[in-house]
Amino acid sequence: GQSLEQPSEVTAVEGAIVQINCTYQTSGFYGLSWYQQHDGGAPTFLSYNALDGLEETGRFSSFLSRSDSYGYLLLQELQMKDSASYFCAVRGGYQKVTFGIGTKLQVIP
Amino acid sequence: NAGVMQNPRHLVRRRGQEARLRCSPMKGHSHVYWYRQLPEEGLKFMVYLQKENIIDESGMPKERFSAEFPKEGPSILRIQQVVRGDSAAYFCASSPARGGADTQYFGPGTRLTVL
Repeated sequence: GQSLEQPSEVTAVEGAIVQINCTYQTSGFYGLSWYQQHDGGAPTFLSYNALDGLEETGRFSSFLSRSDSYGYLLLQELQMKDSASYFCAVRGGYQKVTFGIGTKLQVIP
Repeated sequence: NAGVMQNPRHLVRRRGQEARLRCSPMKGHSHVYWYRQLPEEGLKFMVYLQKENIIDESGMPKERFSAEFPKEGPSILRIQQVVRGDSAAYFCASSPARGGADTQYFGPGTRLTVL
C-alpha cells in the first residue's frame, strides 16, 4: 500500500516563500502530484513530478527525490489567496492515486 | 469546454434512505474516480472506473456502496440505507487515457448530509 506524510499546518507571511514537504512509502511509484483546495472548494491540480528534480510553474515549483521518497511544493511571493490546503498524492499502481492528509497553509499579512 | 460536473451539489437524506450522486466527466475523459472527504481530512480513494468497467474498488465499503459508469450517461455513486457516518463531501475526478491519473480534474463535489 501507500502512505504519505505532510505537515498538518503551516503559517507564512504574505510575500514570503514557503515549502511544504511530503514523504511517502509506496510499493510502487509512478509519480508525485500536488493539489490545492480552498475551503469548501474542489481540489485543483498544481503540478506533477515523475523524475527527480524541480518543476517550475509560475510562482509554484515542485521537487522530487525518488531515492529519498521525498518531495516538496515551493510557493513563492505568497499572496493571501494562496491560503488553502495542499495535498501531495502518489500514484503507486495502475491509475490508483493515494492522497496525503493535506497541509493547511495560512498566509498572514 | 465544460469541466467535471457533479449533481446535486448538496444532498440531504434521512437514515435508511438511498443517495445517488452523479458525475459527468470532462469531454474526452474516459476515466472516473470517486473520493470521500470528511471535514479537515484528506481525500480517500473509493473507486476507479472506466466506461462500463469497475477497475479498482478497493476503497469502497463492501456493503451499501456501489458505483457504475455506463456507456451512456454519467457515473453514479449509490449509497443504500445511508447512516450518519456517510455524511461527507464526495468528489468525482476524471482523467484522459492511460497515465492520466497523475493529472485529475475534480468536480465541485456533492455534500451529503444524513439526518
